[in-house]
Amino acid sequence: GQQVMQIPQYQHVQEGEDFTTYCNSSTTLSNIQWYKQRPGGHPVFLIQLVKSGEVKKQKRLTFQFGEAKKNSSLHITATQTTDVGTYFCAGRDGSGGSNYKLTFGKGTLLTVNP
Amino acid sequence: NAGVMQNPRHLVRRRGQEARLRCSPMKGHSHVYWYRQLPEEGLKFMVYLQKENIIDESGMPKERFSAEFPKEGPSILRIQQVVRGDSAAYFCASSPGLALENYGFFGPGTRLTVL
Repeated sequence: GQQVMQIPQYQHVQEGEDFTTYCNSSTTLSNIQWYKQRPGGHPVFLIQLVKSGEVKKQKRLTFQFGEAKKNSSLHITATQTTDVGTYFCAGRDGSGGSNYKLTFGKGTLLTVNP
Repeated sequence: NAGVMQNPRHLVRRRGQEARLRCSPMKGHSHVYWYRQLPEEGLKFMVYLQKENIIDESGMPKERFSAEFPKEGPSILRIQQVVRGDSAAYFCASSPGLALENYGFFGPGTRLTVL
């Protein structure tokens, strides 16, 4: 079945440093979504990428979808303490199968030292 | 515009008891998806339901777990004879149809603890 790998598992940074998390799928995706989850909270939808090579920005966050639609990244510039949380990617199968299923990576836990 | 609602937010059960988790979709949404999140893991798909129909339950354990989405009222995820390994956070999402608009907005979840 489809697998989504996400690295790193943990990342600790000093406030002001940049942060990147990477997501790789074993199969081609129709689209990919990114979520942020705070401890004890629920996954909060950040963005969806659909097109090959797509790049989207939200303030200090930059999201990329690979040309082959099998990998993606989230980059945060100049982290702040409010960025703390676990960032998940979730892919939707592009092979025409069960496109309503999201396959989540295990997430990257970001901690920020003020 | 109320989002996806789930209750209870926290549920404690002893081994062998039953757990009932409820999910009310966004207004106008007739499709519901349940996911389970084990500690330090991502969410895993359990079941996809439309009103009065189970479309895909391939992610749900074969025994003790069942789900329904009646014509009226919330979707229910039912776990019979709970075991410690059922302790997890259970999230649901909804969509208005197969186009999956607004799919990706999860409810606040039910955190089940089995003692």
